Amino acid sequence: SAVISQKPSRDICQRGTSLTIQCQVDSQVTMMFWYRQQPGQSLTLIATANQGSEATYESGFVIDKFPISRPNLTFSTLTVSNMSPEDSSIYLCSVGGTQGAEGYTFGSGTRLTVV
Amino acid sequence: GEDVEQSLFLSVREGDSSVINCTYTDSSSTYLYWYKQEPGAGLQLLTYIFSNMDMKQDQRLTVLLNKKDKHLSLRIADTQTGDSAIYFCAESNDSSASKIIFGSGTRLSIRP
Repeated sequence: SAVISQKPSRDICQRGTSLTIQCQVDSQVTMMFWYRQQPGQSLTLIATANQGSEATYESGFVIDKFPISRPNLTFSTLTVSNMSPEDSSIYLCSVGGTQGAEGYTFGSGTRLTVV
Repeated sequence: GEDVEQSLFLSVREGDSSVINCTYTDSSSTYLYWYKQEPGAGLQLLTYIFSNMDMKQDQRLTVLLNKKDKHLSLRIADTQTGDSAIYFCAESNDSSASKIIFGSGTRLSIRP
């Protein structure tokens, strides 16, 4: 499976500011996914990022709030914009690809606290 | 839309078997997964099963799938303290391009 490096691992941010989370993969992958895990909750898909095209957002998530970049097949960023305390969550990137079910690998997550 | 449901908590005695249950609604699910999340850690893929299988065994883990009832279970034999974690059931309908839908997670606690 691919190995994902996600950073920062955690951050405490002031409300109204923005944070960009980076996800680096050790191999080329077609699909990258960004998830949010709110405290005590399950994972919710924010968007799917395919290299060379705009990200596809799930219901309830918009590009202005969560802009995503996917400049190449090994890297993606998620920005959490104009943060409020409700954005305090763990954000995880995940990769799919051509390796079958084992291909779904998750980064270790970014634990974000907005104060 | 797709939905995956599982109970929130399970407590078992060390050395006993743990059985975590999950139901899903998407009849086109191709892959069904079990992920483990330890405190403060990311997600670890424990095992998965194709929808055309009804059982898969991997060391202490046994996955049973009842496709007719859309019911999935994970059995952990000889449960140890290191098995304490949240276990997420998840499904997707295409391994290479589809999103994964997660259940709410079952928090497994082990008592001595």
